[in-house]
Amino acid sequence: DAGVIQSPRHEVTEMGQEVTLRCKPISGHNSLFWYRQTMMRGLELLIYFNNNVPIDDSGMPEDRFSAKMPNASFSTLKIQPSEPRDSAVYFCASSRQNDRYDEQYFGPGTRLTVT
Amino acid sequence: SQKIEQNSEALNIQEGKTATLTCNYTNYSPAYLQWYRQDPGRGPVFLLLIRENEKEKRKERLKVTFDTTLKQSLFHITASQPADSATYLCALDPATGKLIFGQGTTLQVKP
Repeated sequence: DAGVIQSPRHEVTEMGQEVTLRCKPISGHNSLFWYRQTMMRGLELLIYFNNNVPIDDSGMPEDRFSAKMPNASFSTLKIQPSEPRDSAVYFCASSRQNDRYDEQYFGPGTRLTVT
Repeated sequence: SQKIEQNSEALNIQEGKTATLTCNYTNYSPAYLQWYRQDPGRGPVFLLLIRENEKEKRKERLKVTFDTTLKQSLFHITASQPADSATYLCALDPATGKLIFGQGTTLQVKP
């Protein structure tokens, strides 16, 4: 099993540009989570999906952020337009979620720098 | 307000000693609590889960306790090794199906 796959691993972009982060969860996992990690705020949940349906997007900072999960093996997080304060490491995680206690498996993250 | 607090200062210990990390929470009533390890430049990795009706959980050199009265979890690494150096995150589910993470405590084990 390859684990959770994220791309790109690093992204440098200019303010105002659109950024798309991609995630492939572990096969058979039915929940997917997008997190953002910064030194100041730690690891914050942005949105999570269960069976491809968004369940809770209360952590999405503002309308510039959007996430989709068109099928069980792919999800995107889009920022449009990007701003310097969006600079962070973005993690995708997946879990079986057969019950509420299943652990989450994290991808390697995408380090985003917005200049 | 709801808070999860972990020691913000790094914990430095000598190899072979027991490391104890603390996770305190307020205004939550979690059904379970998880601990993760994060190495620099990598995503968190799950270590242990403890449920509200469990007082203690062990896995090899790791031990977690969960005191719902004190609203505290302790994470112990016995016979610590330099390879245990990392940031350790606690996380709880406030019965919403999603995890809330603490800021993490960095452990440095010196040979």
